[in-house]
Amino acid sequence: DAGVIQSPRHEVTEMGQEVTLRCKPISGHNSLFWYRQTMMRGLELLIYFNNNVPIDDSGMPEDRFSAKMPNASFSTLKIQPSEPRDSAVYFCASSPPSGAGGYTFGSGTRLTVV
Amino acid sequence: AQSVAQPEDQVNVAEGNPLTVKCTYSVSGNPYLFWYVQYPNRGLQFLLKYITGDNLVKGSYGFEAEFNKSQTSFHLKKPSALVSDSALYFCAVRDGGASKLTFGTGTRLQVTL
Repeated sequence: DAGVIQSPRHEVTEMGQEVTLRCKPISGHNSLFWYRQTMMRGLELLIYFNNNVPIDDSGMPEDRFSAKMPNASFSTLKIQPSEPRDSAVYFCASSPPSGAGGYTFGSGTRLTVV
Repeated sequence: AQSVAQPEDQVNVAEGNPLTVKCTYSVSGNPYLFWYVQYPNRGLQFLLKYITGDNLVKGSYGFEAEFNKSQTSFHLKKPSALVSDSALYFCAVRDGGASKLTFGTGTRLQVTL
């Protein structure tokens, strides 16, 4: 298995632009999680999906952030419009149906908003 | 509600010495406990987990962790540290039937020669 695949690996964009981050979870995993990591705030859970349905989006910082999971093999996290304070590493993770399973993380997308 | 605490922001150890990274947890049901490691510019990687059974769990890279129910702890240990073990370590807990893992704030391990 190729693991959790995120794209792009790096993104540099100007303030005000729309940014879309992509994630392909491991086949057979039914839960998907989006995290943000910064030096100041550490690892933050933004939103997670079970069977493609958003379960908890309380970590989404504001309306500029949105996430979708149109099918079991693809999810997007969109920021519109982007701001410099959104600069961070964004991780996607997936986990299997079994409660005993942990998460498998992708390599992350490093976002820089200038 | 479930929570996990990593009381140390950083742990410094000399190579060859034993290391311990501390973790305590709080859950209402049966805890599923995990350790992850993050190397620079990488995602979090699974190290080991405790679900049930033997309280001493062995994982990758020579790491092990001991589940202590009475102290609600799950400390990560290694008998002999390597410089290459220097990284950020996260403890995580899941309440038996929950989907979501709750992560600690992370402990930076620095191993020096």
